[in-house]
Amino acid sequence: GNSVTQMEGPVTLSEEAFLTINCTYTATGYPSLFWYVQYPGEGLQLLLKATKADDKGSNKGFEATYRKETTSFHLEKGSVQVSDSAVYFCALSRDNFNKFYFGSGTKLNVKP
Amino acid sequence: KAGVTQTPRYLIKTRGQQVTLSCSPISGHRSVSWYQQTPGQGLQFLFEYFSETQRNKGNFPGRFSGRQFSNSRSEMNVSTLELGDSALYLCASSLEGGRDTQYFGPGTRLLVL
Repeated sequence: GNSVTQMEGPVTLSEEAFLTINCTYTATGYPSLFWYVQYPGEGLQLLLKATKADDKGSNKGFEATYRKETTSFHLEKGSVQVSDSAVYFCALSRDNFNKFYFGSGTKLNVKP
Repeated sequence: KAGVTQTPRYLIKTRGQQVTLSCSPISGHRSVSWYQQTPGQGLQFLFEYFSETQRNKGNFPGRFSGRQFSNSRSEMNVSTLELGDSALYLCASSLEGGRDTQYFGPGTRLLVL
């Protein structure tokens, strides 16, 4: 079946540290992959996406590369800020399924 | 373009009551999905509507229902509320569904007492 696995949180980093949040997926065919971010008390916001193998999605300093050989879509940022503190969700979608499959979310805490 | 809007934002109900939540998608989007978010279960898919038809449904009891109108606005209804229905209910819209990007509303926070 289709599923997304994310690293357990919370992840606690100091400001300006390097961030990696691991995401692996299981899906047949060629899914689209997404990272969403949720700030406290809000809905999910699209952070970045990739629609085919070797695509790199990027936004606001965050990057993730669609790796079909390792079925991964790890989120990275070179220098995190306190304002990046939020919960990050990895997700996949496929044609004709009409639903997104979300990971369990990874909470990021960035300390000043 | 205006984003996805959900009303109301907060709701308090008692067990046994029913509740209706509303979602207005981004203009031009025809697919609307609903999710339930709780600390214990994370994000769980409820159902997806496209052109007034339910195309996909998650594993929720029949107390959870929805519908979509001709202008793509959607409502979900929960009857006979239980304490465990307390959650953040999120609506998301996309152009056609499938692998299209979903854009989320701010959610309706439901508390059942």
